[in-house]
Amino acid sequence: AQTVTQSQPEMSVQEAETVTLSCTYDTSESDYYLFWYKQPPSRQMILVIRQEAYKQQNATENRFSVNFQKAAKSFSLKISDSQLGDAAMYFCAHQGGSEKLVFGKGTKLTVNP
Amino acid sequence: DTGVSQNPRHKITKRGQNVTFRCDPISEHNRLYWYRQTLGQGPEFLTYFQNEAQLEKSRLLSDRFSAERPKGSFSTLEIQRTEQGDSAMYLCASSLGEVSNQPQHFGDGTRLSIL
Repeated sequence: AQTVTQSQPEMSVQEAETVTLSCTYDTSESDYYLFWYKQPPSRQMILVIRQEAYKQQNATENRFSVNFQKAAKSFSLKISDSQLGDAAMYFCAHQGGSEKLVFGKGTKLTVNP
Repeated sequence: DTGVSQNPRHKITKRGQNVTFRCDPISEHNRLYWYRQTLGQGPEFLTYFQNEAQLEKSRLLSDRFSAERPKGSFSTLEIQRTEQGDSAMYLCASSLGEVSNQPQHFGDGTRLSIL
C-alpha cells in the first residue's frame, strides 16, 4: 500500500521569502503521479502542482516548484516570494495505478507580514 | 466551469439518524470520488465512480455507507445509523476523461457533525 509522510506539521515564512515543504512517500509502483494540494481555511482543496514519476524534470508553476528525487522517494515543494495568500494547509498526495489519491497529514503554512 | 458542488455545506444530526449528501461534478467529468477528512488529517479515499459504475471502494466504507451515481452525473453518499465517529468533512472530487491520473478537482465539502 502507498503511504505519504509529511514530517512538518507546521511551517512559517516571512512574506517575500522562500519556504520548502517536505514530503516522502512509499510505493511499489513504477508509474505514478505526485501532487501538492493547497487547502485554505474553510475553503476547497486546490491543485498546486503535479509531477509525473517518469519525468526527470522537476515541475514548475510560477512561484511553485518541486524537487522530485525518485530514488529517495522524496517530493518537496518550494514556494518562492511567499505571499499572504499562500497561507494554508498543504497536502502531498500520491496516485498510482488506482485512481485514488493517498494524502499525507498536511503541513500548515503561516506567512508572516 | 462551475466547479464541483456539494450540498449541504453543513449537516448536524443526532446519532442513529440517516444522512445523505449530494455531489454535482464538473459537467464534462466522468470520474467522481468521495473522500473523508477528519480534523488534523489528510483526506482518506472512500469510493470512486467512472460514469455510473462504482469501480473501487475503501474498506473504510462500512456497510452503513452507500454511494450511488445513477445516471453518471451527480452522486449521493448516504450514511445510515450515524455514529459519533462519522463526524468529519466529506469531500467530493471529479476528474476528466478516459486517461488515468487526470487531476482531481474538489468541492467545498459537507461537514457532518453528530450530536
